[in-house]
Amino acid sequence: DSGVTQTPKHLITATGQRVTLRCSPRSGDLSVYWYQQSLDQGLQFLIQYYNGEERAKGNILERFSAQQFPDLHSELNLSSLELGDSALYFCASSVDLNTGELFFGEGSRLTVL
Amino acid sequence: GNSVTQMEGPVTLSEEAFLTINCTYTATGYPSLFWYVQYPGEGLQLLLKATKADDKGSNKGFEATYRKETTSFHLEKGSVQVSDSAVYFCALNRLGSNDYKLSFGAGTTVTVRA
Repeated sequence: DSGVTQTPKHLITATGQRVTLRCSPRSGDLSVYWYQQSLDQGLQFLIQYYNGEERAKGNILERFSAQQFPDLHSELNLSSLELGDSALYFCASSVDLNTGELFFGEGSRLTVL
Repeated sequence: GNSVTQMEGPVTLSEEAFLTINCTYTATGYPSLFWYVQYPGEGLQLLLKATKADDKGSNKGFEATYRKETTSFHLEKGSVQVSDSAVYFCALNRLGSNDYKLSFGAGTTVTVRA
């Protein structure tokens, strides 16, 4: 158990819909990362927050947004969903910014029909 | 930018065989290097790391040495078990840079048969 909690574990929805994925980092970790894992594109970095502020952005679509709240949990919002958004979305956390030691949750599997 | 390239899989081995997964990197400066492992149905977890040239990371019988001259960080295990079946990711992170994200390779799927 990494200490990172993601909900929901599985989600099935239709094209055009909007979903919210939630992540609770390990106790004491200030940094939260979101990654998308798909069969054709591997593990893609989406976005990183540190203590409530956005610190790095990767290949995140404009239809996606995220935030980190004062209690340090984070949410990833995916809107106008397309079939190609079907993937496993991982949240990870770390104590500080410049570490490569990330602790990953078990992921949220999104299926868009 | 910073990136890693790892050998494509899948790799299928018999138990007790020797495993090598190649990883090379491109980066300016002095990155830290990592191997992560993803067991079936789970999230990624850190397997080992090395923060400077000639460092050797090791864990669970796996080893990798940070080779600056060849920009490589190959993962090795002398005798694999069925329980080592997983996807292995090489990654790098440049400490102190503005590029905060961890860059992962494409992953190598390893299957160990009894």
